[in-house]
Amino acid sequence: DTAVSQTPKYLVTQMGNDKSIKCEQNLGHDTMYWYKQDSKKFLKIMFSYNNKELIINETVPNRFSPKSPDKAHLNLHINSLELGDSAVYFCASSNNPTSALTGNTIYFGEGSWLTVV
Amino acid sequence: AQSVAQPEDQVNVAEGNPLTVKCTYSVSGNPYLFWYVQYPNRGLQFLLKYITGDNLVKGSYGFEAEFNKSQTSFHLKKPSALVSDSALYFCAVRPWGGYNKLIFGAGTRLAVHP
Repeated sequence: DTAVSQTPKYLVTQMGNDKSIKCEQNLGHDTMYWYKQDSKKFLKIMFSYNNKELIINETVPNRFSPKSPDKAHLNLHINSLELGDSAVYFCASSNNPTSALTGNTIYFGEGSWLTVV
Repeated sequence: AQSVAQPEDQVNVAEGNPLTVKCTYSVSGNPYLFWYVQYPNRGLQFLLKYITGDNLVKGSYGFEAEFNKSQTSFHLKKPSALVSDSALYFCAVRPWGGYNKLIFGAGTRLAVHP
């Protein structure tokens, strides 16, 4: 009955490789996110999709490409991995956030620990 | 610039004592404020949020937070700490309007000692 699930939980890979992290939510939400937590535990948004449409794209290298096949899934593909990409990547979801009057709660997955060696 | 500050890297509390984890924010307009907790090697769990209304918000696991507009603060509190409360706590703000983009503080590690 996991609400936001992401795989794999742990990933160790070499520099230069391409890898993907998958995310699925069963909460019926139509908005999904990717957040990055660095080694100092600092959290920052990377991307957000609403009904498969990209609505937030922070300053993230082009090597990172999110893909949303449907509103319950948001996958993150990373090309040409670099040492600095090592981090914890969190997938999250919420109800439609476009109304300024709502404070929709964002629910997070368990995280994917990426280590680039 | 919109930001969230958690001035303490770590808070140490004896079990059974009250605890406070501090958070101040800087945003334009009315903020939506959130607290999340992260246990070791786990994801972020939602604790509580302030949207509007009563300044004292109650959340999960006996936690509460008080919104203070004049001091732009949203401190997390619990009357009696448990060892199992030991974790990393994040305050976050969603600025008024726009998309649902949370701005997080740097986190405060809470250590509750037996």
